[in-house]
Order: sequence, then structure tokens, then C-alpha cells
Amino acid sequence: AQKVTQAQTEISVVEKEDVTLDCVYETRDTTYYLFWYKQPPSGELVFLIRRNSFDEQNEISGRYSWNFQKSTSSFNFTITASQVVDSAVYFCALSEEGYSTLTFGKGTMLLVSP
Amino acid sequence: DVKVTQSSRYLVKRTGEKVFLECVQDMDHENMFWYRQDPGLGLRLIYFSYDVKMKEKGDIPEGYSVSREKKERFSLILESASTNQTSMYLCASSLVGGGSEQYFGPGTRLTVT
Repeated sequence: AQKVTQAQTEISVVEKEDVTLDCVYETRDTTYYLFWYKQPPSGELVFLIRRNSFDEQNEISGRYSWNFQKSTSSFNFTITASQVVDSAVYFCALSEEGYSTLTFGKGTMLLVSP
Repeated sequence: DVKVTQSSRYLVKRTGEKVFLECVQDMDHENMFWYRQDPGLGLRLIYFSYDVKMKEKGDIPEGYSVSREKKERFSLILESASTNQTSMYLCASSLVGGGSEQYFGPGTRLTVT
């Protein structure tokens, strides 16, 4: 069975601080995909990134970076120099090869104060 | 621009009423999904559909049914609404196959009184 754990329920930071959101997953498959989504206060989930299990390269997109480590089954998300607009709930998710469904973690609420 | 739309942002219904939540996507996606989101529980899959008239139960299908008569439209039906179905309902769509990202609608916040 697959499982995604986001141990941090809520994180509060002050603007310009760096923050890392943790994601730990469990799966028996060797081929799988990991995702991060952002849910701002408006409610609509926005896709941020997808990673497949064969690509352990870290990824950077502007202030966002992702660290995928198969050895620890983790796919962590770092926001550098956080901004108020980063305030949202962030979800990590997993899908296995051949399956279209996603298993979501329970989400981490990030609050960035001015 | 890809789009998933849901018929209502907010809905208030009485216990025992039949409730229809509609979702439409314009991306020609094969897969469509219905989730509910509750504080502390994250997103839980209710049903999904991988083709017209095809459906599969998700993790929490009890008390719900679905209909997909056209590829672009996926309806969630609460046959007899109950207060424990008060929640945020999210619709999503995706291409077929593992690794396909899902695109979400804005959500419907349903209150059953």
C-alpha cells in the first residue's frame, strides 16, 4: 500500500526566511511519481512539480527547489526568501506506474507573515 | 488555458435532499476524479472515472454516486444528504496513465443543515 506523510501540520515564518516542507512516502513499486501541489486561500489546487522515481536530480525553479532522495524516501520542498504570497496549504502526492490515482499527504499549511 | 469548472462555489442543502455537483473539463482528458477535503484529513478520493460511463470507487464512496455520460462532464450525486457530508468537494481531471498530473477545479463548499 502506498502512503504519503507530511509531518508538519502548520509552519509559520517571517517574510524572507527560507522554509522546507517535508514529505516522506511509502511504496512497493520501483516506478512511481511524486508531486507537489499548492492550495492558496482561493481553494484551487495548483500543480507545482512532478518527479519520477528514476530521476533523483534536484530541481530549482526560481525561489522553489525540490530535493528527492530515494534512500530516505523523501521529496522535500524548499522555498527560499519566502513571501506573503507563498502562504498556502502545500500537498505532496504519489502515484504508481499504471495507476492514474494520486495518494495525497494531509498537507502542510504555510503562513508567511510580513 | 486548461480549465476545470465546478457548477457552484458554495452550496447549502438540507438533510435528506438529493444533491448534484457538476464538473466540466475542456482538456479532453480521459480521467476525472471527485475528492472531498476536510481539515486534518487532506484530500480523500470518492470516485473516479477513466472513460464515459466507467467509474471506480475511491477510498470513501459510501453515500455517494457518480455519473459520466459525456467525456467532459462528471457529476457527483449525494442521494440523501447528511450533515457529515458537509465538506469541500474538489473535482480534477487528467490524462490516462501513471505520472499524469491532475488539474483541479475551484471546489464547491457544501453545507448540509
